[in-house]
Amino acid sequence: DAKTTQPTSMDCAEGRAANLPCNHSTISGNEYVYWYRQIHSQGPQYIIHGLKNNETNEMASLIITEDRKSSTLILPHATLRDTAVYYCIAALFTGGGNKLTFGTGTQLKVEL
Amino acid sequence: EAGVVQSPRYKIIEKKQPVAFWCNPISGHNTLYWYLQNLGQGPELLIRYENEEAVDDSQLPKDRFSAERLKGVDSTLKIQPAELGDSAVYLCASSNYPDTQYFGPGTRLTVL
Repeated sequence: DAKTTQPTSMDCAEGRAANLPCNHSTISGNEYVYWYRQIHSQGPQYIIHGLKNNETNEMASLIITEDRKSSTLILPHATLRDTAVYYCIAALFTGGGNKLTFGTGTQLKVEL
Repeated sequence: EAGVVQSPRYKIIEKKQPVAFWCNPISGHNTLYWYLQNLGQGPELLIRYENEEAVDDSQLPKDRFSAERLKGVDSTLKIQPAELGDSAVYLCASSNYPDTQYFGPGTRLTVL
């Protein structure tokens, strides 16, 4: 699986957009970009994933560059409850399951 | 729809004692995963089941760890005997190929 690189931590003001970058320069053509987040003392929560095209759901938007070497997760209006560790993962579907290799993620702190 | 259920949520034992964790996946999900998460780190895959079959257990320390998924639904992860270094959060996730993994809240194990 391709390695991903994320900043260790980021701060964001409540109500502003949070833009979390991820570098995955060695990603292969059939690896998806997944984003999960983990709020303190909870299990990881799925946010969004994509292959080539930009994606949007009720939680966030995912912008993938045309060369697929990097991506950005956008939380359009961050709230205090969005404070969490955000993981960017490049993952393959392998025969019935997708293998997720987590790094250490980005600690996002949303402040008043 | 109910999420992934894990029990117990917390467990404290003395070293050399056995311990077991239980996971009930989301209804209809045929793939089940056990992950280990050390403090400050992302989750690491221990074992993946497709129905009753363990299809990826390469990261499971088989000298003291064992797992089973009888009838392809619930799963149990066991450690015997536990060591101090086993203190961590044990996470269960499930998915239905080719869909996304959904995680339970985890079991926090403390070995004294």
